[in-house]
Amino acid sequence: QKEVEQNSGPLSVPEGAIASLNCTYSDRGSQSFFWYRQYSGKSPELIMFIYSNGDKEDGRFTAQLNKASQYVSLLIRDSQPSDSATYLCAVNGGSSNTGKLIFGQGTTLQVKP
Amino acid sequence: ETGVTQSPTHLIKTRGQQVTLRCSSQSGHNTVSWYQQALGQGPQFIFQYYREEENGRGNFPPRFSGLQFPNYSSELNVNALELDDSALYLCASSFDSNNSPLHFGNGTRLTVT
Repeated sequence: QKEVEQNSGPLSVPEGAIASLNCTYSDRGSQSFFWYRQYSGKSPELIMFIYSNGDKEDGRFTAQLNKASQYVSLLIRDSQPSDSATYLCAVNGGSSNTGKLIFGQGTTLQVKP
Repeated sequence: ETGVTQSPTHLIKTRGQQVTLRCSSQSGHNTVSWYQQALGQGPQFIFQYYREEENGRGNFPPRFSGLQFPNYSSELNVNALELDDSALYLCASSFDSNNSPLHFGNGTRLTVT
């Protein structure tokens, strides 16, 4: 089992729809969770981070964390073509707690006009 | 506020050679982490430096080594380059060594021929 798992996609949604990106992780001791956006040929850009169970909203983005289910998700409301990118889920602070971020392989999102 | 800067942007080396990649951390950040990202994969943790000392290492051989300087800038050195070392090398800085979000530089694209 991979430490952080994401569906590679592509996930295709129409412009204006809600995009839902999902991620599961294996280390139950994980403490912090991050979503990064990566455009082709560019470096990852931090979108959201969440430390506690529940929802965290920032503009069109909502991160959701359920530690009991070892599940974290990212919702993008009113999706725009400019949101088309690969979204990386990253998890930190597990058993080793060395500051190591473990990334999933990323989900490719395509927003169609 | 100055972000994370990496140099060079692109590099082409021959198998067996050595390479040094450089990174300047974001202002106010004392921790630097290095990641390797192969095409189509999520970034893989190489190591982290906190206040000039290695603070965690991923599953990379000893020919991958690093340094952090008093101004918190960092170097990644790779000896005896192999074809599989071809990847995007990402440097990220953070405020502390554990749960703070990582902020990535633009990366160095290394090609080994």
